[in-house]
Amino acid sequence: AQSVSQHNHHVILSEAASLELGCNYSYGGTVNLFWYVQYPGQHLQLLLKYFSGDPLVKGIKGFEAEFIKSKFSFNLRKPSVQWSDTAEYFCAVNYPGGKLIFGQGTELSVKP
Amino acid sequence: DAGVIQSPRHEVTEMGQEVTLRCKPISGHNSLFWYRQTMMRGLELLIYFNNNVPIDDSGMPEDRFSAKMPNASFSTLKIQPSEPRDSAVYFCASSLQRSSYNEQFFGPGTRLTVL
Repeated sequence: AQSVSQHNHHVILSEAASLELGCNYSYGGTVNLFWYVQYPGQHLQLLLKYFSGDPLVKGIKGFEAEFIKSKFSFNLRKPSVQWSDTAEYFCAVNYPGGKLIFGQGTELSVKP
Repeated sequence: DAGVIQSPRHEVTEMGQEVTLRCKPISGHNSLFWYRQTMMRGLELLIYFNNNVPIDDSGMPEDRFSAKMPNASFSTLKIQPSEPRDSAVYFCASSLQRSSYNEQFFGPGTRLTVL
């Protein structure tokens, strides 16, 4: 079955702390991978994406993610979070045929 | 360049009433997706269209829900009759599907409250 799993439901950090959010997916073939962010009361915005090539991808606002094919993982990282990063983060996997499957989301709260 | 446009942004209705949500995809995109977001179930894909044809409606919860895409620039999601458990944020997304893979762009959502 096609599924995406995010390890943490809610993460609380202080400003300047480092962030890593885990994401694993179930498919062993070729996929496209995304991280979306949803700020409070807003719609989903793309943070970064991986289609092919360098498995370390850089996104907006200092975020990056590493695709590790052998582990079916696509973890999101940021070396130093800010209060404005408080949001919900969704990992998504684009399976063959165009269907995008989302993880359940991780709520990030950054304390000033 | 306008993004995905959804209307209305907020809808409050009473149980039993018909609700119609509207979406205008990004011009030139050939795939359109309807999602529902709730606290309990997160983001769920309800249905998606490719070139105006419904491809996968397995996520549509029940017969009360229906979706149409009469042309490449407009889609509707209708709930008839509506129930309180339909209260959620409904997102529309569109993409340009060049192969089996595509990046989706999301609209601002419609927050539906059924009393």
